Amino acid sequence: GQNIDQPTEMTATEGAIVQINCTYQTSGFNGLFWYQQHAGEAPTFLSYNVLDGLEEKGRFSSFLSRSKGYSYLLLKELQMKDSASYLCAVLDNDMRFGAGTRLTVKP
Amino acid sequence: DTAVSQTPKYLVTQMGNDKSIKCEQNLGHDTMYWYKQDSKKFLKIMFSYNNKELIINETVPNRFSPKSPDKAHLNLHINSLELGDSAVYFCASSLGSTGYTFGSGTRLTVV
Repeated sequence: GQNIDQPTEMTATEGAIVQINCTYQTSGFNGLFWYQQHAGEAPTFLSYNVLDGLEEKGRFSSFLSRSKGYSYLLLKELQMKDSASYLCAVLDNDMRFGAGTRLTVKP
Repeated sequence: DTAVSQTPKYLVTQMGNDKSIKCEQNLGHDTMYWYKQDSKKFLKIMFSYNNKELIINETVPNRFSPKSPDKAHLNLHINSLELGDSAVYFCASSLGSTGYTFGSGTRLTVV
């Protein structure tokens, strides 16, 4: 089967750092993706990991450990506009998504 | 603009009707998809199609059928709509093993 697990909700303060974890068990693996989805909008691509380690992209970083089936998305210097759902997804034969983590950034 | 575009954005229809949602991509991608996002915001793959092979998620009722006139289009046709079909449907496309680009979604409400 395929399981992609991430916390349902998180809350953080503007200017802080937040880490959103994702664990996965999939039959195949061609990469791990993070998407951001604001309410009522389409998911938009944030980051991609296929090798172990950390990928940094501005305020956002993503980490992957294939042996542990684990990834996290790190958001630094949080802004109010970062309030959104963050979707962890594994590319097998196609893209399989976790249920998403709804992040609320408070002033 | 280069994008994945789908129409209509909103669709309200009665139970039992047949409806279609259109999707077009001008990104030169070779594979297109349909996803369903339910009220719990869970994105589930329905179909993937790359002009050679159609892969259907086995949980999708056969009332749903994808139709692809060419590589740039993948439409979704739904027969005999049911209340449980109410959801947001997203079209997406990709080139090989790359990230997916999503359309803006179609919010389907069956009454």
